Amino acid sequence: DGGITQSPKYLFRKEGQNVTLSCEQNLNHDAMYWYRQDPGQGLRLIYYSQIVNDFQKGDIAEGYSVSREKKESFPLTVTSAQKNPTAFYLCASRADRSTDTQYFGPGTRLTVL
Amino acid sequence: QQQVKQSPQSLIVQKGGISIINCAYENTAFDYFPWYQQFPGKGPALLIAIRPDVSEKKEGRFTISFNKSAKQFSLHIMDSQPGDSATYFCAAHKLGGTSYGKLTFGQGTILTVHP
Repeated sequence: DGGITQSPKYLFRKEGQNVTLSCEQNLNHDAMYWYRQDPGQGLRLIYYSQIVNDFQKGDIAEGYSVSREKKESFPLTVTSAQKNPTAFYLCASRADRSTDTQYFGPGTRLTVL
Repeated sequence: QQQVKQSPQSLIVQKGGISIINCAYENTAFDYFPWYQQFPGKGPALLIAIRPDVSEKKEGRFTISFNKSAKQFSLHIMDSQPGDSATYFCAAHKLGGTSYGKLTFGQGTILTVHP
C-alpha cells in the first residue's frame, strides 16, 4: 500500500515543549514538503527538501526545524520558539523535476494546551 | 508577487447546479495551476491542473478555465453533487529555478452542495 503516512493524527503539547511530527513516504519521491494549514489562510510552506541531506526554508520556517537523513522520511520539529503552533500540519511529496504533482499525507492536528 | 487570491470563501449550491470558484495571481512567471480538493480531516488531493498554453481543460464534471492576459483561472463543477462538498484550493507554481515545486496556495473555498 503506497503513499504518505503521517503520525500521530492528533497531538497535544504543553506550552514550552518541543514536539516532532513524523512523515514517511514509500513512493520513492525525491522531494518532500511541510505545510501548515490554518482556517481561512490556505496552506503555507514551512520547509522543503529536494534530496537527502538537503532542505530549504519555506515562507514560515521560524520556530520549526527539519531533517532529511533518509529519502523516505522528513520529520518536522515544532519548537517552543513557535509562537502559535496550534494548526493542521500536512506533509507532501513530489516524484522529481519531471512532474508537477504533489501528493499529500493525511495530516497531523497539533493542539497546544 | 507571490500571492494567489481565491474567491468566494464559501459557496452553497443546489444539487445539479454549477459551482464556480475563481483565482487570480500576480506572478507572471507561474506556469502550473493545480486545483486541490480536501475533505474534513484529510489531506488535499489533486483534482485537475492546467498549464498556461491552453485556455481550458476538462476532466469529467470538472473544468479549469484559464485567462492568461487577465491572470485568472477558475474551476467549474458541473452537475454538482453532495459528495462534492469539500474545501477547494487553487495553487500556482513556477517550474525550474530554485523554488523546487514550491506551490503558492489560495485561501480556499468551502463548497456545500445541498441535496
